[in-house]
Amino acid sequence: GAVVSQHPSWVICKSGTSVKIECRSLDFQATTMFWYRQFPKQSLMLMATSNEGSKATYEQGVEKDKFLINHASLTLSTLTVTSAHPEDSSFYICSARGLRTGEYAYTFGSGTRLTVV
Amino acid sequence: QKEVEQDPGPLSVPEGAIVSLNCTYSNSAFQYFMWYRQYSRKGPELLMYTYSSGNKEDGRFTAQVDKSSKYISLFIRDSQPSDSATYLCAMGAGNTPLVFGKGTRLSVIA
Repeated sequence: GAVVSQHPSWVICKSGTSVKIECRSLDFQATTMFWYRQFPKQSLMLMATSNEGSKATYEQGVEKDKFLINHASLTLSTLTVTSAHPEDSSFYICSARGLRTGEYAYTFGSGTRLTVV
Repeated sequence: QKEVEQDPGPLSVPEGAIVSLNCTYSNSAFQYFMWYRQYSRKGPELLMYTYSSGNKEDGRFTAQVDKSSKYISLFIRDSQPSDSATYLCAMGAGNTPLVFGKGTRLSVIA
């Protein structure tokens, strides 16, 4: 199968600081990365889509200057939450899509729980 | 009408029961349909994948897709306490992002 490694799995940071979340595809080339945010007992909310080497496409209402996405290689994408505030506390999940089709088309990371204090 | 509708539950069943989960959707362009299981504070884990209409069985799990009715189902036989989780339906077409249902919280009581 396909494996996506996401870390850190949890992070606590002070208000006003920045936090970087990494997502790596371990055994396939991720041409597209999706970043999601999930609030407690809610479904996944798509934040942005990034294709390797291109600027990310953000969903309506998502601040691109606050949530910086970099997809510089086919195996690594990062999400940086800049100047984090308590309302940014959430569960962030990446999903990688490669050239495979079928059931391995989308693979999710294990998520990062961000708490801003 | 939302693109994907899924009853959030919660759904509570006794151990050994057959569980039926379902989603309806409005976009006839969807081509592939997935069911994910998500434990608390974890990323979604793919359970079942179906392309177009039909049934698919994997162990205790059966997925059904009826494109004519825009309705998909997941059945869990002989449910176990370890099946307690949130089940998310998801669907997509081409290379577009998956569209998720809200998820159904399932509790299997021993």
